[in-house]
Amino acid sequence: EAQVTQNPRYLITVTGKKLTVTCSQNMNHEYMSWYRQDPGLGLRQIYYSMNVEVTDKGDVPEGYKVSRKEKRNFPLILESPSPNQTSLYFCASSTFFRTSTEAFFGQGTRLTVV
Amino acid sequence: SQQGEEDPQALSIQEGENATMNCSYKTSINNLQWYRQNSGRGLVHLILIRSNEREKHSGRLRVTLDTSKKSSSLLITASRAADTASYFCATLYNFNKFYFGSGTKLNVKP
Repeated sequence: EAQVTQNPRYLITVTGKKLTVTCSQNMNHEYMSWYRQDPGLGLRQIYYSMNVEVTDKGDVPEGYKVSRKEKRNFPLILESPSPNQTSLYFCASSTFFRTSTEAFFGQGTRLTVV
Repeated sequence: SQQGEEDPQALSIQEGENATMNCSYKTSINNLQWYRQNSGRGLVHLILIRSNEREKHSGRLRVTLDTSKKSSSLLITASRAADTASYFCATLYNFNKFYFGSGTKLNVKP
């Protein structure tokens, strides 16, 4: 089954404790991206990757890191989480964008930083 | 920001009625897509319309695109309680940037 898998689904952590949210896709997609969703703000792109070893900042990259060492994985790293990073996070993947490409989303990771 | 704006923010209708949601954006796009989200879960792709298309249908969904007005609308006909969800438009720019609107929360009352 084609899917994007995120882990963990729920996470509560303390300020400053490094954490990683994993994302894996089984569709051989080139493009992967991370979004955060906050009430009233919709989804905002954090980082995206066009292919292995190619990453770029989205609209809200501050406080986040990513890596793309393999095509299927795109982890999101918070080196020193802060309470303003409490949010619902989504990973998405797609084939390299053409005019007809849709994105596939993971089920989300709800992160709380206290 | 190039994010789309959606209108209305919330919509409540009776089962069987039609629901219309609108999306506006700011610059030229490659395509526009509509997604559905159930209660904080992942987004599910509904329908895509290319920048050179004006209307598309899929089941009970009808999407229109007016590039001169930089706007799109999603019509759900004969709505069902199961259509209750948040609906987002997403626009693709330069074939590498994907922007979402803030969403319309639809409530269909049985």
